[in-house]
Amino acid sequence: KQEVTQIPAALSVPEGENLVLNCSFTDSAIYNLQWFRQDPGKGLTSLLLIQSSQREQTSGRLNASLDKSSGRSTLYIAASQPGDSATYLCGGTSYGKLTFGQGTILTVHP
Amino acid sequence: DAGVIQSPRHEVTEMGQEVTLRCKPISGHNSLFWYRQTMMRGLELLIYFNNNVPIDDSGMPEDRFSAKMPNASFSTLKIQPSEPRDSAVYFCASSLNQGLETQYFGPGTRLLVL
Repeated sequence: KQEVTQIPAALSVPEGENLVLNCSFTDSAIYNLQWFRQDPGKGLTSLLLIQSSQREQTSGRLNASLDKSSGRSTLYIAASQPGDSATYLCGGTSYGKLTFGQGTILTVHP
Repeated sequence: DAGVIQSPRHEVTEMGQEVTLRCKPISGHNSLFWYRQTMMRGLELLIYFNNNVPIDDSGMPEDRFSAKMPNASFSTLKIQPSEPRDSAVYFCASSLNQGLETQYFGPGTRLLVL
């Protein structure tokens, strides 16, 4: 059974700082790894999807990496902004099922 | 595209009542997922469908929960009878390629069972 863990549970940074969110998973038979953003009271918005054959994906100020051998993924956010404040969730797809971590609550203060 | 549509957005009901949650996936997507989110357990997959067929319902908590997908554009999640511990946010998501592509989430239904 796939288990996904995210560290840290919460992170508070000043505006402009670069930051890294961590995600680890137990089952290396992962098909893809997805990063989502969730704003309070809202649904999830997909940020990046990394296929198992890929090492990283980039979108604007976001870069996600995947290392299947170590069971880890990271989400790098460059030049953080207050609008980046949200909960960030990672999820690994194995056997057609997406298993989520508990999320990292990010606060970027001006 | 309007995205994944869920209704109702909020539901308050009394213990023992039947609750029906509805979902319309993105047109053309062949996979549909029902999730439940709580503070204690996070986001959990309840059941998913490929081409309208239930593939894995191992996440459905118990027999009080049932889900159907009568056609490619509509799914329901029913709780009968409802209990206070069912209070949660229920999300529907859809994707292409049997869930191996990006999943797109609806806004969720916030359920409160009194």
